Amino acid sequence: EAQVTQNPRYLITVTGKKLTVTCSQNMNHEYMSWYRQDPGLGLRQIYYSMNVEVTDKGDVPEGYKVSRKEKRNFPLILESPSPNQTSLYFCASSPGTSGSSYNEQFFGPGTRLTVL
Amino acid sequence: GEDVEQSLFLSVREGDSSVINCTYTDSSSTYLYWYKQEPGAGLQLLTYIFSNMDMKQDQRLTVLLNKKDKHLSLRIADTQTGDSAIYFCADSSGYSTLTFGKGTMLLVSP
Repeated sequence: EAQVTQNPRYLITVTGKKLTVTCSQNMNHEYMSWYRQDPGLGLRQIYYSMNVEVTDKGDVPEGYKVSRKEKRNFPLILESPSPNQTSLYFCASSPGTSGSSYNEQFFGPGTRLTVL
Repeated sequence: GEDVEQSLFLSVREGDSSVINCTYTDSSSTYLYWYKQEPGAGLQLLTYIFSNMDMKQDQRLTVLLNKKDKHLSLRIADTQTGDSAIYFCADSSGYSTLTFGKGTMLLVSP
């Protein structure tokens, strides 16, 4: 089944304790992205990657890191989480990198993170 | 930068039509999308429209695009309680990046 998977789905942690949220897609997609969703703010892009070893900042990258060593995986790293990073996180992938062609993004199920 | 705006909340009765509106600023948008997010789930593509189209119909869904006014709408005919969800408008603002609106919560009451 074609899908984007994220782990863990739920995580409660404490301030300053490094964590990684994994994202994997099995559709051979070039483009992958991380979003956070907060009430009243909608979806905001954290980082994105157009291909292996190519990553770029989105709208809210502060406090996050990513890597794209393999095409299928795009982990999100919080080196020193803080309470303002409590949020619902979504990973997404899409086939191409051209904005001029139809380009559906496929979303993972989300990771709910609470930082105490 | 590019911006996408939507009203935050819409409440309708079952069987009525729902119309969710969206405005965007990026005049170079080639595709515009509607995504649906059900409670506790990720976003799923509902429908999309190419920028050279005025209208697209897909069963109970009708998408209208006014490119001159940069206005997009989603009409759901015969709205059902199962349509209750958050609906996101998005435009393709370069490469594969999508700019999303804040989402419209649709509440359908019996």
